[in-house]
Amino acid sequence: GDSVTQMEGPVTLSEEAFLTINCTYTATGYPSLFWYVQYPGEGLQLLLKATKADDKGSNKGFEATYRKETTSFHLEKGSVQVSDSAVYFCALSLLDSGYSTLTFGKGTMLLVSP
Amino acid sequence: NAGVTQTPKFRVLKTGQSMTLLCAQDMNHEYMYWYRQDPGMGLRLIHYSVGEGTTAKGEVPDGYNVSRLKKQNFLLGLESAAPSQTSVYFCASSPPARTASTDTQYFGPGTRLTVL
Repeated sequence: GDSVTQMEGPVTLSEEAFLTINCTYTATGYPSLFWYVQYPGEGLQLLLKATKADDKGSNKGFEATYRKETTSFHLEKGSVQVSDSAVYFCALSLLDSGYSTLTFGKGTMLLVSP
Repeated sequence: NAGVTQTPKFRVLKTGQSMTLLCAQDMNHEYMYWYRQDPGMGLRLIHYSVGEGTTAKGEVPDGYNVSRLKKQNFLLGLESAAPSQTSVYFCASSPPARTASTDTQYFGPGTRLTVL
């Protein structure tokens, strides 16, 4: 079946450090790929998405590129802030009969210290 | 525009009790979903609905029932709660098919349920 694998956390960084969170996927079709972020005590928010190979999703300084050849969608940010501390979920979506369901990775906690 | 709302925010049940979680969305979305989030497990789909009056099972449907009597509401029921159902429950919705963002889901703030 479809699945998403992302690096285990927590990832602990100092402010202004470079961030990479790895994500790879297995899918039978041609999925859309997402990163969602969950701040403490809140629901998930869409951070960025990409719908086809070589697309780059970006938002709030975060970027991820859809790499079909390596089935990956790694999240990067050049300079993290304390306010980026959250849990990050990689997910894929396959349209099936006109609607989609999301398959999530297990999440990676990011802790940024001043 | 409130987006996706969930009630209640917190609940404690005893084993065997029943309850209903309510999800409401004001974005006129066709599709709605219920997930549970457990430590180290990510989010797992319980049930979903592709329109008013229709529901379908997700990855972990056992012990739950759902109803979608109105387009804007999606109810999740636990008929006889068990400690294994202690979790955080999230509702989500997404736009209709044949729209550019139909694969993007919008989440509510969650309901934290404890079953003793």
